[in-house]
Amino acid sequence: EDQVTQSPEALRLQEGESSSLNCSYTVSGLRGLFWYRQDPGKGPEFLFTLYSAGEEKEKERLKATLTKKESFLHITAPKPEDSATYLCAVNGAAGNKLTFGGGTRVLVKP
Amino acid sequence: NAGVTQTPKFRILKIGQSMTLQCTQDMNHNYMYWYRQDPGMGLKLIYYSVGAGITDKGEVPNGYNVSRSTTEDFPLRLELAAPSQTSVYFCASSWEGASGNTIYFGEGSWLTVV
Repeated sequence: EDQVTQSPEALRLQEGESSSLNCSYTVSGLRGLFWYRQDPGKGPEFLFTLYSAGEEKEKERLKATLTKKESFLHITAPKPEDSATYLCAVNGAAGNKLTFGGGTRVLVKP
Repeated sequence: NAGVTQTPKFRILKIGQSMTLQCTQDMNHNYMYWYRQDPGMGLKLIYYSVGAGITDKGEVPNGYNVSRSTTEDFPLRLELAAPSQTSVYFCASSWEGASGNTIYFGEGSWLTVV
């Protein structure tokens, strides 16, 4: 059974204070690791897909990296508008569906 | 760009009542999904469909039913609502399944069972 654990559960940052979110996973045959952003009262919004260890993707102040056991979402010089819950999910050998972690709630204070 | 549309947005049900959450997508995606999200938790898959006429159970299917008569629509039926079904429900869709393809989510349906 695929499993995803995200840490920390919550993160409070000052504007400009860079940090990293962790996503540890156990999966039989990784077919993709996904990062989503979720704002309060909204559905998850797609950020990145990573497929193999060593892969990196960037979007504005966000950078996602992948190893064989975990993924990191680095937030560089965050702004208050980066405040959201960040969700990690994996698609394993069973295919056709994502297994999500519990998310990390990020609050960036001005 | 409508994307994935869910109705209703909010609903209060009494224990034992039944209801249907509607979901429609206009992207011609073959895969559709229903997830639930409890407070402070990640999303758990209830049911999914790989195409019209084909559905399969996810992690937490008990107490729910689905049907997929068209590519566009994937309603979720709650029979005999229980307090444990109080949650936020998200419908989603994608091309060819989760592997290598983006899953697009609706805005969510907040359900309270009292």
